[in-house]
Amino acid sequence: ETGVTQTPRHLVMGMTNKKSLKCEQHLGHNAMYWYKQSAKKPLELMFVYSLEERVENNSVPSRFSPECPNSSHLFLHLHTLQPEDSALYLCASSQGEADATNEKLFFGSGTQLSVL
Amino acid sequence: AQSVAQPEDQVNVAEGNPLTVKCTYSVSGNPYLFWYVQYPNRGLQFLLKYITGDNLVKGSYGFEAEFNKSQTSFHLKKPSALVSDSALYFCAVRDKMEYGNKLVFGAGTILRVKS
Repeated sequence: ETGVTQTPRHLVMGMTNKKSLKCEQHLGHNAMYWYKQSAKKPLELMFVYSLEERVENNSVPSRFSPECPNSSHLFLHLHTLQPEDSALYLCASSQGEADATNEKLFFGSGTQLSVL
Repeated sequence: AQSVAQPEDQVNVAEGNPLTVKCTYSVSGNPYLFWYVQYPNRGLQFLLKYITGDNLVKGSYGFEAEFNKSQTSFHLKKPSALVSDSALYFCAVRDKMEYGNKLVFGAGTILRVKS
């Protein structure tokens, strides 16, 4: 158990659906991340939040909308996705200090998303 | 931009034999390098990191990694493989960010250890 919990574990949705992925961390961390994992491709960093403020958005399509209401929770709202968006979506957290050289990321188990 | 490359999609090794999973890096400045492991249906778990100091870094589960500046490599090693080591291994490098630890990952290498 890493202290980072993601729900749901699996999600199947149509291209016109709206759904949300949820991430919760119990580690007292200040930084949270969304990564996309596709087979045989490097993990893609999507969004980074530090102290509930979005500090990085890596040219992610607007059909993905993140939300960080507090330092313990992170959401990824999904709307009109495409089949190529099918992937494992991983949430991670870290302490988020200014000198983050020694920081480790703690990952959740991910949500396996299938878009039909 | 910082990047890492994992040249092998898959590594196969017999139980009890030594294993090596390769990683090369491209960075500006000092590299901060990491290895993570992902077991089936799980998120990534931290194995070890190189920040500075000794070129041989020891980590969890008996793994170690050797930092080689001249070859810009950071290969993961273990003297004697276990079947339970079978998993997906990711090399990563830290990219500078004002807050938090932005990691840039490789594509991953599947390690299969056969009994």
